[in-house]
Amino acid sequence: EAGVTQSPTHLIKTRGQQATLRCSPISGHTSVYWYQQALGLGLQFLLWYDEGEERNRGNFPPRFSGRQFPNYSSELNVNALELEDSALYLCASSPMTSGMETQYFGPGTRLLVL
Amino acid sequence: AQSVTQLDSQVPVFEEAPVELRCNYSSSVSVYLFWYVQYPNQGLQLLLKYLSGSTLVESINGFEAEFNKSQTSFHLRKPSVHISDTAEYFCAVRWPMNYGGSQGNLIFGKGTKLSVKP
Repeated sequence: EAGVTQSPTHLIKTRGQQATLRCSPISGHTSVYWYQQALGLGLQFLLWYDEGEERNRGNFPPRFSGRQFPNYSSELNVNALELEDSALYLCASSPMTSGMETQYFGPGTRLLVL
Repeated sequence: AQSVTQLDSQVPVFEEAPVELRCNYSSSVSVYLFWYVQYPNQGLQLLLKYLSGSTLVESINGFEAEFNKSQTSFHLRKPSVHISDTAEYFCAVRWPMNYGGSQGNLIFGKGTKLSVKP
């Protein structure tokens, strides 16, 4: 069974540009989570989508946004990029039932903002 | 406030020595607990989890963790480490659905870098 996939693996942008990151969940999983792993800040929750709707949002500015498509894949968009947005962005998926389910992570997209 | 604390940022050990990676959390309600491992330049892999039942949980590669409700801890242990265990280990907590603001997402500790030396 294929795991969570993310694309691209690496992304280089300049300040002010927009970045789009993509995630495909494990087949049968309806929930997708996005996390940011920045140097020195650890893993921080960004967004949670389930059944096409945003369910929860972490403490990030509105220029971080996303969506979930009918096939449950997801996009994370970061507008007006800043240098401190440089980080590893991890996507995770899980079945959405009782809330006890394990989140399975993809390999991540490493974003570098110059 | 909801928080997860990993007390050691780095733990160097020699091969075949025992190791304990500590994790404490702050919560007034029952939580779900996880340990993830991250090898260099990779994503997170689930190591083990505690949802309910027996307080001692084991992984397939020799790690175990014990849930201690009174001390709000979930320490990870291995009796004999290998070079291949060198990685960063993250403790994570998930609160029950509809509890506070942490609905569904994981709260992670800062991570502990385990370095196994020959």
